[in-house]
Amino acid sequence: ETGVTQTPRHLVMGMTNKKSLKCEQHLGHNAMYWYKQSAKKPLELMFVYSLEERVENNSVPSRFSPECPNSSHLFLHLHTLQPEDSALYLCASSQDQAGADEQFFGPGTRLTVL
Amino acid sequence: GQNIDQPTEMTATEGAIVQINCTYQTSGFNGLFWYQQHAGEAPTFLSYNVLDGLEEKGRFSSFLSRSKGYSYLLLKELQMKDSASYLCAVREQRGGSYIPTFGRGTSLIVHP
Repeated sequence: ETGVTQTPRHLVMGMTNKKSLKCEQHLGHNAMYWYKQSAKKPLELMFVYSLEERVENNSVPSRFSPECPNSSHLFLHLHTLQPEDSALYLCASSQDQAGADEQFFGPGTRLTVL
Repeated sequence: GQNIDQPTEMTATEGAIVQINCTYQTSGFNGLFWYQQHAGEAPTFLSYNVLDGLEEKGRFSSFLSRSKGYSYLLLKELQMKDSASYLCAVREQRGGSYIPTFGRGTSLIVHP
């Protein structure tokens, strides 16, 4: 596997379910990101991790809980979501936070909350 | 925080040149990125500017004026495959962290 991978690619869940999204990067990067992309809205940054430490939590509701066990893996734990949380969730990584380091995005998880 | 503005949609003809503008307001500017996103796919990196001026990369060029809070992406010799959304992203320094914020994206339609 190369680049940034995400699983699952599609997820349908009820509002009372608990599920997790997984992201893995095979690029040796130090920074990882979670984004939410909804129709007609900008890409919304949710969380940023640098060297496994969370450096930014962009006022995200507590029903979203990130976890970064090591620099290659990032999880987004979901519980008691709302229908408006249905969106494409994108993971990205970059070598570091600063410099000319562009972000490499995974293919995303299409989440539907019923 | 930041305010990033770019046009919602543009159309152009195959073979032509198109310029996509992006304006922003930020207190801790630390670089501007352009990404391309095809429908149903992840964004992919196109260009990076941190100093004023033009960066050229094949058919794509990006310009930055920090004093004006302005950037543009220039696409030359348009091809049908260039039909996509183009995202302007501004990175801001907040303390020891560097945080990117994306604009809404400009949907470019290239027609024959």
